[in-house]
Amino acid sequence: NAGVTQTPKFRVLKTGQSMTLLCAQDMNHEYMYWYRQDPGMGLRLIHYSVGEGTTAKGEVPDGYNVSRLKKQNFLLGLESAAPSQTSVYFCASSTIPYEQYFGPGTRLTVT
Amino acid sequence: EDQVTQSPEALRLQEGESSSLNCSYTVSGLRGLFWYRQDPGKGPEFLFTLYSAGEEKEKERLKATLTKKESFLHITAPKPEDSATYLCAVVKAGNMLTFGGGTRLMVKP
Repeated sequence: NAGVTQTPKFRVLKTGQSMTLLCAQDMNHEYMYWYRQDPGMGLRLIHYSVGEGTTAKGEVPDGYNVSRLKKQNFLLGLESAAPSQTSVYFCASSTIPYEQYFGPGTRLTVT
Repeated sequence: EDQVTQSPEALRLQEGESSSLNCSYTVSGLRGLFWYRQDPGKGPEFLFTLYSAGEEKEKERLKATLTKKESFLHITAPKPEDSATYLCAVVKAGNMLTFGGGTRLMVKP
């Protein structure tokens, strides 16, 4: 039972490049989330999904897109990376909205 | 505006020295308050859920309490392995979590 996994663990991008972060969970959870964590800012919700085929905007959605084609996967895309998107990204999942299980994180640097 | 504020930002304790971490919130219609532990380089790990004022939860050396305006995480006789960042979060309208900035706890042997 792997829980929540994230791919990749580290990535360096140049400004303007695109990439996709993959989150996978094997707990059959309905809810999935993408957060970013920055020093002094805490965890902030980017996008979330309440079930397969659904997505919704969180607190800081600009510059990101998401897709949930399969219940176990939640993808976060950056179409044109900017230095302001340098951060640590966490994926989480839950059966109910509150008790979320987090992945190990992806450290992204945009130069 | 809904806010979650944690204090102190950092706390240094000697092993065995008990203390408390504070999480104050201004949220209309609180539906729950949650405590997480985060170790360096890892994702947050769920600790406790508190739903109503007066509620308490315990786990090993940790005890979480809730009032109408704040929550405390009491650490009794801490050990070095309790060193971590402790995050609190509240549930507001829309069922999404709002996190505080965290308290970084360091326990020296």
